[in-house]
Amino acid sequence: EVQLVESGGGLAQPGGSLRLSCAASGFSFSTYNMHWVRQGPGKGLVWVSRLSSDGKSATYADAVKGRFAISRDNAKNTLYLQMNNLGADDTAVYYCVRDDGSPGADWGQGTLVTVSS
Amino acid sequence: DVVMTQSPLSLPVTLGQPASISCRSSQSLVHRNGNTYLIWFQQKPGQSPRRLIYKVSTRDSGVPDRFSGSGSGTDFTLKISSVEAEDVGVYYCMQSTHWPPYTFGQGTKLEIK
Repeated sequence: EVQLVESGGGLAQPGGSLRLSCAASGFSFSTYNMHWVRQGPGKGLVWVSRLSSDGKSATYADAVKGRFAISRDNAKNTLYLQMNNLGADDTAVYYCVRDDGSPGADWGQGTLVTVSS
Repeated sequence: DVVMTQSPLSLPVTLGQPASISCRSSQSLVHRNGNTYLIWFQQKPGQSPRRLIYKVSTRDSGVPDRFSGSGSGTDFTLKISSVEAEDVGVYYCMQSTHWPPYTFGQGTKLEIK
């Protein structure tokens, strides 16, 4: 059974940083591209970032480019999202998402990030 | 960026009746490889999204056959042949042909009348 378990969310100050983690199990993690998708309170789904299976190719939404960094450790079956210079607009539930040729094959339960002073 | 527009945004449906959600893209979603990467997700209240359909019409494993996807080019439709109470939630379309960015529709909230 595929499992994606996010962690690392919480309260951050404006301008602060957080690092999200996504522990993957139940599939061959190193062979799949992965994404982060977020959902603001009461809002729709927004794609944040994608990372290739080998960790060499990363893409970002314009809203987070230059502030967020996606990475992975295939030996640890873990995906990361380093978030810097956080603003109120970054407040959201962040989902780790598996891509099996189309994004969204599997989703984690999400981790809530709240940016507030 | 490709803009995805769903309609309606709210969809009250009587149990046992069909339902249909439209998704239109601002440009054709046909990839140069000939595939069309249009996906449908369902998000039930308090849950993570779940993929229902990918590449326009391919149902994911375990998805009831009352759900079907169709369309081509810029116009796509998700149909539920006979709505059940468990189908309540928000439905999103998403394109993964022209990225970055991947883009979602605004979501359609299905409720029971």
